Amino acid sequence: NAGVTQTPKFRVLKTGQSMTLLCAQDMNHEYMYWYRQDPGMGLRLIHYSVGEGTTAKGEVPDGYNVSRLKKQNFLLGLESAAPSQTSVYFCASASGSGANVLTFGAGSRLTVL
Amino acid sequence: KNEVEQSPQNLTAQEGEFITINCSYSVGISALHWLQQHPGGGIVSLFMLSSGKKKHGRLIATINIQEKHSSLHITASHPRDSAVYICAAANTGNQFYFGTGTSLTVIP
Repeated sequence: NAGVTQTPKFRVLKTGQSMTLLCAQDMNHEYMYWYRQDPGMGLRLIHYSVGEGTTAKGEVPDGYNVSRLKKQNFLLGLESAAPSQTSVYFCASASGSGANVLTFGAGSRLTVL
Repeated sequence: KNEVEQSPQNLTAQEGEFITINCSYSVGISALHWLQQHPGGGIVSLFMLSSGKKKHGRLIATINIQEKHSSLHITASHPRDSAVYICAAANTGNQFYFGTGTSLTVIP
C-alpha cells in the first residue's frame, strides 16, 4: 500500500523557473491538499480539492496553481518560482466529509535560488 | 490569529519521564488530530478523536469538547519519541487547522 506518493522529493530551482510537484494517492480519497511547511509556522494550506475536477484556494495560494484531472492525482505548479517559495511541501489526502484521518506524503523539499 | 495553539513549543525530558503536550482550539470541530513528525521525516497520524480519550501503547490523547482543549500524554518516554508533535483541528468540511507543533527531545 503506497498511500500518498509525492515526486520529486528534492528540487533546486532558479528564480523564474517553473516546475510541477506531483501527488498520487491510491486510497480512493475524495479530498486532497497541498500544504507548505516553514520553520516556526504551522502547516499552511495552499490549495485543496474536494473531488476530481475541482480545486479551491487555501490560505496561501499566490504563485501556485493546481489541477485534479484524475481522482488519484493532485498537481501543484509553480509558474515562476521565487525565493519565498523555498519550503517543504506536503501533499495529503482524506476520504469524504466527516471525521477522517489525514494521510500525508513524505514531503518535497524545494529550494529556489 | 491562530485557530489552534499548542504548548509548550519546545520540551526536553529525561528518558522515563511522563510528558504532556497541550492543544487549545477556537474553531468548531468534527475531530481533533495528533500528528507526529520525526526530524527530516514525513508526518504520520497518531490519533483522531472527537470525544473522551484514546490510548495507543504509551501514548494517550484526551479531549474536552466544552473547554476546546486536548492533551497528548507520553508515559515512560524514550529517546525514539523525540519528534515534533502537531495538533490539528478538523471541521465538518474537512478543513484542517494546524498548531505550530511541539518539539520534543528525550534525553537518554
